[in-house]
Amino acid sequence: EDQVTQSPEALRLQEGESSSLNCSYTVSGLRGLFWYRQDPGKGPEFLFTLYSAGEEKEKERLKATLTKKESFLHITAPKPEDSATYLCAVQARNVGNNRKLIWGLGTSLAVNP
Amino acid sequence: DAGVIQSPRHEVTEMGQEVTLRCKPISGHNSLFWYRQTMMRGLELLIYFNNNVPIDDSGMPEDRFSAKMPNASFSTLKIQPSEPRDSAVYFCASQLAPSGANTGELFFGEGSRLTVL
Repeated sequence: EDQVTQSPEALRLQEGESSSLNCSYTVSGLRGLFWYRQDPGKGPEFLFTLYSAGEEKEKERLKATLTKKESFLHITAPKPEDSATYLCAVQARNVGNNRKLIWGLGTSLAVNP
Repeated sequence: DAGVIQSPRHEVTEMGQEVTLRCKPISGHNSLFWYRQTMMRGLELLIYFNNNVPIDDSGMPEDRFSAKMPNASFSTLKIQPSEPRDSAVYFCASQLAPSGANTGELFFGEGSRLTVL
């Protein structure tokens, strides 16, 4: 069964304290792995798409990496405005043109000033 | 662009009542998704449309749920009759089909928070 597990469930950092969030996935052929950010009371907002092992994407203080089993979202020198829930989702290759995503439960990140 | 627009933002109703949630996707996007989010189960896809046609409704919990997309700029999700376990945040998202440099990212609305008493 296709599955996405994110860890930790919650993370509290001091401003400037770098860390990484993990997304482990089990899928019969990966078409794409997606990272989204969700602020309280808002819908998820797209961050990155990764397609193959070894691929990396960067945006400001965030860098996403991908292996055959997991993805990491590295946060370098975070600021309080990086506080949010970070969601990971995968799309399986074996579903034809179906664009269904399997979502993790997210990591709730709090960055203290 | 105004983004994906959902209404109502909040709905409180009593068990057994009909609930209708509305969504206006981003102009030019050809796919529309309805999701439900809860703490326990996270984001769950209910149904998605491509060019106004339902493609996958396997996530619709039961016959009490129905969705329509009469045209490219409007969709509804209806629950009749509603039950307390339907309480959740319902999100609509639209997408331009992935091709070339377009990664097919989903653009979400701000959600409709439903509470069924």
